[in-house]
Amino acid sequence: AQSVTQLDSQVPVFEEAPVELRCNYSSSVSVYLFWYVQYPNQGLQLLLKYLSGSTLVESINGFEAEFNKSQTSFHLRKPSVHISDTAEYFCAVSELIQGAQKLVFGQGTRLTINP
Amino acid sequence: GAGVSQSPRYKVAKRGQDVALRCDPISGHVSLFWYQQALGQGPEFLTYFQNEAQLDKSGLPSDRFFAERPEGSVSTLKIQRTQQEDSAVYLCASSSWTAGGGGYTFGSGTRLTVV
Repeated sequence: AQSVTQLDSQVPVFEEAPVELRCNYSSSVSVYLFWYVQYPNQGLQLLLKYLSGSTLVESINGFEAEFNKSQTSFHLRKPSVHISDTAEYFCAVSELIQGAQKLVFGQGTRLTINP
Repeated sequence: GAGVSQSPRYKVAKRGQDVALRCDPISGHVSLFWYQQALGQGPEFLTYFQNEAQLDKSGLPSDRFFAERPEGSVSTLKIQRTQQEDSAVYLCASSSWTAGGGGYTFGSGTRLTVV
């Protein structure tokens, strides 16, 4: 079974500073990888995904993640954060079950932006 | 509808009470997942439907949990004789058949508190 480890439960940063949220997964076979964001009292929203091709994927709001197969990592980065980025971020890996891709989530990283 | 709708948004149940949580997926979506998210944790897989067929229920924590999707659209997660450890946010997600690794659309969840 797949597993996902998010190494930091909380990451506090100052506004406009860079940030990296770390994610490692267990599988050595081909996988799909995802980052989801959860704002307070809201559901999960897909931030970005890696399916195949270029190992660097980007979101529309300035986040990017790089798939590193040798290190089984999919770290999320942003060069300059904004107050509105305050949220919980979940890394997930897919696991094929019965013809569908089940998502296995990490424990989450709470990103807090300080002014 | 435009998104995945879950109701009620909040539910307080006395210990021992039965509850029913509803998920209305995006119209036409074949795959439907239920996840349980305990406070401060990542979502944990409960069960998966493909149309009306429940193909995987390996994540259901006990036989008090029961899910159904009788007409392949709306799904209901039922918890009998609720216990305090059932307190969590219950998330529903749906996807079209060909989504593969394309990610899923999540509802806002139902926050269940057992007192």
